[in-house]
Amino acid sequence: AQKVTQAQTEISVVEKEDVTLDCVYETRDTTYYLFWYKQPPSGELVFLIRRNSFDEQNEISGRYSWNFQKSTSSFNFTITASQVVDSAVYFCALSEREIKAAGNKLTFGGGTRVLVKP
Amino acid sequence: DGGITQSPKYLFRKEGQNVTLSCEQNLNHDAMYWYRQDPGQGLRLIYYSQIVNDFQKGDIAEGYSVSREKKESFPLTVTSAQKNPTAFYLCASSIWSGGAFGTETQYFGPGTRLLVL
Repeated sequence: AQKVTQAQTEISVVEKEDVTLDCVYETRDTTYYLFWYKQPPSGELVFLIRRNSFDEQNEISGRYSWNFQKSTSSFNFTITASQVVDSAVYFCALSEREIKAAGNKLTFGGGTRVLVKP
Repeated sequence: DGGITQSPKYLFRKEGQNVTLSCEQNLNHDAMYWYRQDPGQGLRLIYYSQIVNDFQKGDIAEGYSVSREKKESFPLTVTSAQKNPTAFYLCASSIWSGGAFGTETQYFGPGTRLLVL
């Protein structure tokens, strides 16, 4: 069974500080996908990034960057120069490719609440 | 605008009453999903549907029912058998990108908060 663990329940930073969110996952599959979603106070989940298991290249997209390491089953996410609007709950999620079609289930971590103070 | 809509935003249920949450998408996505989120918790899968007229139970299906008669619509009924229905309900949809290395990403609606009176 697949499992996602976000050990940090809450992180508080001052604006412009960097924030790194940890995510550790468990899966038996060799093909899987990892995601980060943001949930602002309004409640809607907003897709941020997706990573495929066969591509360990780490990237930067604007103020977001991620560090995917299969050897340690970790998929950490960093917000650089945080802003007050980054305050939200962030979820890491895992999807195993059970079928080559839409309908693969997502397993979510418990979420990390990020509070960015001005 | 393309997207996923959920209604109502807030829903109140009386004891013993069935209520139905609406989820509509105009993204032409094949798969749709229902999740439940309790305060301070992650999301748990209730039901999902890969194609029209087909759906499967998720991890916490007891006390819920769904239908998928149209591609765009995936309503969730919270039955009286669900003893603790107070939660935030999120609907999502996805489409397969195709190819040998195809992927999919789930996109979410704004959610419905269900409260028991």
